[in-house]
Amino acid sequence: TQLLEQSPQFLSIQEGENLTVYCNSSSVFSSLQWYRQEPGEGPVLLVTVVTGGEVKKLKRLTFQFGDARKDSSLHITAAQTGDTGLYLCAGQMTTDSWGKLQFGAGTQVVVTP
Amino acid sequence: DAMVIQNPRYQVTQFGKPVTLSCSQTLNHNVMYWYQQKSSQAPKLLFHYYDKDFNNEADTPDNFQSRRPNTSFCFLDIRSPGLGDAAMYLCATSEAGLADRQFFGPGTRLTVL
Repeated sequence: TQLLEQSPQFLSIQEGENLTVYCNSSSVFSSLQWYRQEPGEGPVLLVTVVTGGEVKKLKRLTFQFGDARKDSSLHITAAQTGDTGLYLCAGQMTTDSWGKLQFGAGTQVVVTP
Repeated sequence: DAMVIQNPRYQVTQFGKPVTLSCSQTLNHNVMYWYQQKSSQAPKLLFHYYDKDFNNEADTPDNFQSRRPNTSFCFLDIRSPGLGDAAMYLCATSEAGLADRQFFGPGTRLTVL
């Protein structure tokens, strides 16, 4: 059973459209990260959110951490083909003494021209 | 540029033939991690080193071993690869106490024939 559930599993949209990816859990996390992974490459850290209700913006990407620190969302405005990739959320649980990251299974995003 | 390097990028081995994957880092981070990622799944932590202290995940098979001869290098040894061990193997690093900011290498894609 995944501690972090991501939805949807797969998303295909056209360039210029908006999309939102969700990461949900019943557990509380001290911080939550979003990574993007391209085929044949390792995940690249996009953002870390640590405060409940926090919103961070990275150009066309907006990340939100839920008030209760159990969920997060990633919103992409006016998607571009370069946004194609596997988006992974990962969280550090408050109960972990050393901070092991729990990963979601990812959302595969495909942006077509 | 400071980075995490994995060699080789692609490795083909035969069933039961030992294989070693390598990871090096120029970030001078205390902590190094090895993850296994199968297709469409979340990265799964196998073990991590905090300096020279080795920490094995409870469900990591005995078939997987690791060595960290110095701060910069870490090796993953698979003693007798099975078909089920075919996966992407990811190395990551972080500073001590900052497991929520992990830097990943590009991964090694292991094929077992």
